[in-house]
Amino acid sequence: SQTIHQWPATLVQPVGSPLSLECTVEGTSNPNLYWYRQAAGRGLQLLFYSVGIGQISSEVPQNLSASRPQDRQFILSSKKLLLSDSGFYLCAWRASGAAGELFFGEGSRLTVL
Amino acid sequence: GNSVTQMEGPVTLSEEAFLTINCTYTATGYPSLFWYVQYPGEGLQLLLKATKADDKGSNKGFEATYRKETTSFHLEKGSVQVSDSAVYFCALSGRYSSASKIIFGSGTRLSIRP
Repeated sequence: SQTIHQWPATLVQPVGSPLSLECTVEGTSNPNLYWYRQAAGRGLQLLFYSVGIGQISSEVPQNLSASRPQDRQFILSSKKLLLSDSGFYLCAWRASGAAGELFFGEGSRLTVL
Repeated sequence: GNSVTQMEGPVTLSEEAFLTINCTYTATGYPSLFWYVQYPGEGLQLLLKATKADDKGSNKGFEATYRKETTSFHLEKGSVQVSDSAVYFCALSGRYSSASKIIFGSGTRLSIRP
């Protein structure tokens, strides 16, 4: 069966520090991968999605970036965090070429101080 | 472009009350429709889905019917429990793009009083 994991689960970082959140999927190949952010009390904002290795689409301009170095690995990064980057980050996958549901990871809560 | 509008919360009900959370959508073609649930501190889980008009998705006592004529996918449950307290998201997905994005509503927080 397919599983998705993301880490770390909780992160407290100072303003200006770098960020790396990692997500891996097991049990499937060539998935579409997604990063969402959920700010406190708000809905889900799609940040990035990827349909293949090295292929990244950005939905909103910001100081975050994403990379997909391997088929089932998706990384969210920042060189310098801002206070506004605080939130709950969710990685998700869905089968390639399908219009089915997304499967979400457990989430990573980032607090920037 | 595609969009989802759902009932704003928070919604507070007593245990065993009837629940409706409204969701309407705008989309070209025939999207798939979903309801996701998020329990405190967790990621989102699929609650139910419907892929074509008049389909009814159901799970854990929750139901939603894909109404193309009213572009709606309202979530209902006949008798809610305290354990149903969570945030509920309506979502849609375009059908024909391999990289089609799932568009989420803003979420509705539901609190059930014992």
